[in-house]
Amino acid sequence: DGGITQSPKYLFRKEGQNVTLSCEQNLNHDAMYWYRQDPGQGLRLIYYSQIVNDFQKGDIAEGYSVSREKKESFPLTVTSAQKNPTAFYLCASSLLKAPGPYSNQPQHFGDGTRLSIL
Amino acid sequence: GNSVTQMEGPVTLSEEAFLTINCTYTATGYPSLFWYVQYPGEGLQLLLKATKADDKGSNKGFEATYRKETTSFHLEKGSVQVSDSAVYFCALIGFSGGYNKLIFGAGTRLAVHP
Repeated sequence: DGGITQSPKYLFRKEGQNVTLSCEQNLNHDAMYWYRQDPGQGLRLIYYSQIVNDFQKGDIAEGYSVSREKKESFPLTVTSAQKNPTAFYLCASSLLKAPGPYSNQPQHFGDGTRLSIL
Repeated sequence: GNSVTQMEGPVTLSEEAFLTINCTYTATGYPSLFWYVQYPGEGLQLLLKATKADDKGSNKGFEATYRKETTSFHLEKGSVQVSDSAVYFCALIGFSGGYNKLIFGAGTRLAVHP
């Protein structure tokens, strides 16, 4: 079955440590996204990528980094500069029709990675 | 700018009750509208969508109608089940900064009791 796989499901970070969250999709989607979800809140966009080797900052990119070397993969690194990393991280992907204001392509989500501080 | 406002939860209902979760939006143009559902410990699943005015999205007994005149996309279900307990997110796709951005409401938690 096609879908999005995030790993690990749970991750713990020590002080001063960088950690990387994996996101892989086999839906042949062009665009991929990373969101952060805090308890009782909606989703906030961290980074997104429309094509390989290109990505853009979202609303809360500080303290995070990404790469997009392959269409299927969009890993997120939570760096030591992110002072409050405890959250639920969700990866998503979508088809990317011609950019414009009337896209109707929904995003498909993985099952998330819960990151906590040790 | 683009934004989505949902009714605050939690919404607590008995099984077989009627459900309405209100959602209103602010956007330029005619955005596509979505409802996503998040079960405990999981990611978001697309529940239904509507792409133009007066469209009705439906899935698993849930319905929502795209009302341009009231800028609303309220989620309804005639008879809820315990298994519907989850957090529901209303969202729209808005074009901002050169890309199509999915903009979420804060989510509404639904708890259904037997």
